[in-house]
Amino acid sequence: DGGITQSPKYLFRKEGQNVTLSCEQNLNHDAMYWYRQDPGQGLRLIYYSQIVNDFQKGDIAEGYSVSREKKESFPLTVTSAQKNPTAFYLCASSSTPALSGNTIYFGEGSWLTVV
Amino acid sequence: LAKTTQPISMDSYEGQEVNITCSHNNIATNDYITWYQQFPSQGPRFIIQGYKTKVTNEVASLFIPADRKSSTLSLPRVSLSDTAVYYCLVGYNAGNMLTFGGGTRLMVKP
Repeated sequence: DGGITQSPKYLFRKEGQNVTLSCEQNLNHDAMYWYRQDPGQGLRLIYYSQIVNDFQKGDIAEGYSVSREKKESFPLTVTSAQKNPTAFYLCASSSTPALSGNTIYFGEGSWLTVV
Repeated sequence: LAKTTQPISMDSYEGQEVNITCSHNNIATNDYITWYQQFPSQGPRFIIQGYKTKVTNEVASLFIPADRKSSTLSLPRVSLSDTAVYYCLVGYNAGNMLTFGGGTRLMVKP
């Protein structure tokens, strides 16, 4: 949603290949997140980062890697170790810390398909 | 982290009011309750957020009882374009892992 750009929108991966999904935000948010969504299912957290050069595993981090070298950027690499990567990937960001609840803002998502 | 439970799906008709309830029995003192709307192949979009009692904005109302163990999203006079998945998210956004539940699929019929 406005201020978070994901690219590409559609990506095809061959077996055994690593691919990287880009996520850039201009909202000056400290925290960034990556979620995976399988068709008809809810969102599952892959990785999250509270601050530059720091990130934590979410519920389904195996087969994925991230980096947070800049505040604006949080790329996700889907490695060959991820055996079933076909899914919709969503990047999000939010501001921290909070005296009141902060909302998460989402990008428009990226579809990854294994061919 | 507070776990949420929502109905899997709901049906309604145009012009009706729709209420979607989310249970979050282990909500923490600092947790806020946020609702999102998601259309197919799009990122979820913020609808409304609250901490207690009632919150209203131009698109929805959020009712939170005193014990805060549940919350109800109310959509007045829904239209076909309100057909979407609605997620309830509970968490204090200060670096916590923010985990979504399965969401509620709302189908609005003509």
